Amino acid sequence: AQTVTQSQPEMSVQEAETVTLSCTYDTSESDYYLFWYKQPPSRQMILVIRQEAYKQQNATENRFSVNFQKAAKSFSLKISDSQLGDAAMYFCALTTGYALNFGKGTSLLVTP
Amino acid sequence: DAGVTQSPTHLIKTRGQHVTLRCSPISGHKSVSWYQQVLGQGPQFIFQYYEKEERGRGNFPDRFSARQFPNYSSELNVNALLLGDSALYLCASSTPTGYEQYFGPGTRLTVT
Repeated sequence: AQTVTQSQPEMSVQEAETVTLSCTYDTSESDYYLFWYKQPPSRQMILVIRQEAYKQQNATENRFSVNFQKAAKSFSLKISDSQLGDAAMYFCALTTGYALNFGKGTSLLVTP
Repeated sequence: DAGVTQSPTHLIKTRGQHVTLRCSPISGHKSVSWYQQVLGQGPQFIFQYYEKEERGRGNFPDRFSARQFPNYSSELNVNALLLGDSALYLCASSTPTGYEQYFGPGTRLTVT
């Protein structure tokens, strides 16, 4: 069985500051992929960043980067220079094949 | 290119009725997945179809069924609706070799 845990139901950050969202996971598979998705109030699920388990280098997409700690089964998302448009639910997800397993999400509030 | 499209946007049904939700994948994508997202939770995997064949199924009752058509679009059918089926139903498409899934805007189903 695979599990994804997001222990922060809500986080808040000021505009232009940096925030880190936490995610831990568990799987017995050696080959897997991890993702962060963003779901704004419009409810469209948007892929933010992905990480292949076999890659040691942390993924980066513009202001978004991850800290992938394979041994600790940790996969955190760092958002730099936060913008008002970053406000949304953020979901961590894991797949070893076809199904995505999601965490319960972290609601990110961005204040001016 | 157009993203994943879903119809209808919203739907209200009565307990015991049947519902059909539709999804068109991104052009060139041959795989379609369905997820159920209950308010306040992460999406839960229902089905994945590839080349009209069921590739995987989540822990959902037999009241849930799906199919994929030659043009790779898909339908999700739910019979004998229960109040607990009220949720956002998300469709995602992916390339056969890709683990990334791209989501549509969802269908909000309300069962009264």
